[in-house]
Amino acid sequence: DTGVSQNPRHKITKRGQNVTFRCDPISEHNRLYWYRQTLGQGPEFLTYFQNEAQLEKSRLLSDRFSAERPKGSFSTLEIQRTEQGDSAMYLCASSSYRDRGYNEQFFGPGTRLTVL
Amino acid sequence: DQQVKQNSPSLSVQEGRISILNCDYTNSMFDYFLWYKKYPAEGPTFLISISSIKDKNEDGRFTVFLNKSAKHLSLHIVPSQPGDSAVYFCAASVARSNDYKLSFGAGTTVTVRA
Repeated sequence: DTGVSQNPRHKITKRGQNVTFRCDPISEHNRLYWYRQTLGQGPEFLTYFQNEAQLEKSRLLSDRFSAERPKGSFSTLEIQRTEQGDSAMYLCASSSYRDRGYNEQFFGPGTRLTVL
Repeated sequence: DQQVKQNSPSLSVQEGRISILNCDYTNSMFDYFLWYKKYPAEGPTFLISISSIKDKNEDGRFTVFLNKSAKHLSLHIVPSQPGDSAVYFCAASVARSNDYKLSFGAGTTVTVRA
């Protein structure tokens, strides 16, 4: 199957360390989104790409966060100098215009980050 | 600020009966609404959607109703089945803005009792 995949599925790190997550979207999906979900809340938008261009970043995305999508395929989300407040589930989603005009996003299983 | 609200954190329903999930929104710019279903250890999966030009959309056992004047939508599942036990998220977007980013509610955990 060619669903959205995310690696790693779990990451435990110490405060102050850097972490990087990877997302592989459904092939030929030109849009890729990152969301963050904390306990008891729904996913919150962080940023999105169309092909390799990062078109919008939420104010939730502090300077310690950076996302890339080189060549418009997979994407990485890096968090520098992690803080305990960064502990969350990081979800990636992809979409194409064929899917209800980008409205339907296909989500990966997420990467759960725990910052000690 | 929470623009999409699901005020019922949980719902328990007997198998075969109707499940009704509610969602309210505050942003009048929202023009597309979706329901996602989430099982543990999996990402959310799309269930059903509705555009603001409609007031009802039906797909098998699932029907979504939209009341724009009240800024309210609901999801009806009938009949409810044990496999429907999951967390359900209501989501909305301003599709005409072209970004299609989704704003989610906090979710409702549905438990279908045998």
